[in-house]
Amino acid sequence: DVKVTQSSRYLVKRTGEKVFLECVQDMDHENMFWYRQDPGLGLRLIYFSYDVKMKEKGDIPEGYSVSREKKERFSLILESASTNQTSMYLCASSLWQGANTEAFFGQGTRLTVV
Amino acid sequence: GNSVTQMEGPVTLSEEAFLTINCTYTATGYPSLFWYVQYPGEGLQLLLKATKADDKGSNKGFEATYRKETTSFHLEKGSVQVSDSAVYFCALDRGGSTLGRLYFGRGTQLTVWP
Repeated sequence: DVKVTQSSRYLVKRTGEKVFLECVQDMDHENMFWYRQDPGLGLRLIYFSYDVKMKEKGDIPEGYSVSREKKERFSLILESASTNQTSMYLCASSLWQGANTEAFFGQGTRLTVV
Repeated sequence: GNSVTQMEGPVTLSEEAFLTINCTYTATGYPSLFWYVQYPGEGLQLLLKATKADDKGSNKGFEATYRKETTSFHLEKGSVQVSDSAVYFCALDRGGSTLGRLYFGRGTQLTVWP
């Protein structure tokens, strides 16, 4: 089974801190994604990556950056955390298989910024 | 653009009731369509998918048919159980160069009472 592991289930950080959210997948997938989930808004894409050292902005990249130094690991960075970044963060990975491409999700990290 | 509109929740049903959660989409090209489920405290799991018009996806008693003429992918189950209580997300992958990147609806919370 594909496994996508996020390093923390719950995090509490202070305003202004630099925050790292880590995601690791064990199935050699090329594609990795970071989504943010908020009630009533569904999931919104922050950043994604199709290869090592490659990144593309999603719909809401402001205030975030990412790093992909190794194929299996995709990190989301909050440069200076703010209270409006309190949210559930979900990492996903996928392998391109044409119309049968399927994304696999981690269990989520619930981040609270105080 | 690409977007998904799904029925507002929450939905509350008694056990063995019939479930419908409506989902319509806007997309360029020929998207693949998905239903994901999120149980309390967990990440998203793929429930079912359909990759072309008139395909029916099914899993665990849930079904959805890809209707291109109405741009819809409604989720149905004939007899819900308490264990089906979760948040359900409709999503599309428009394919092409962004294979694996998903566009999500806002989610529908389902609660089933015994």
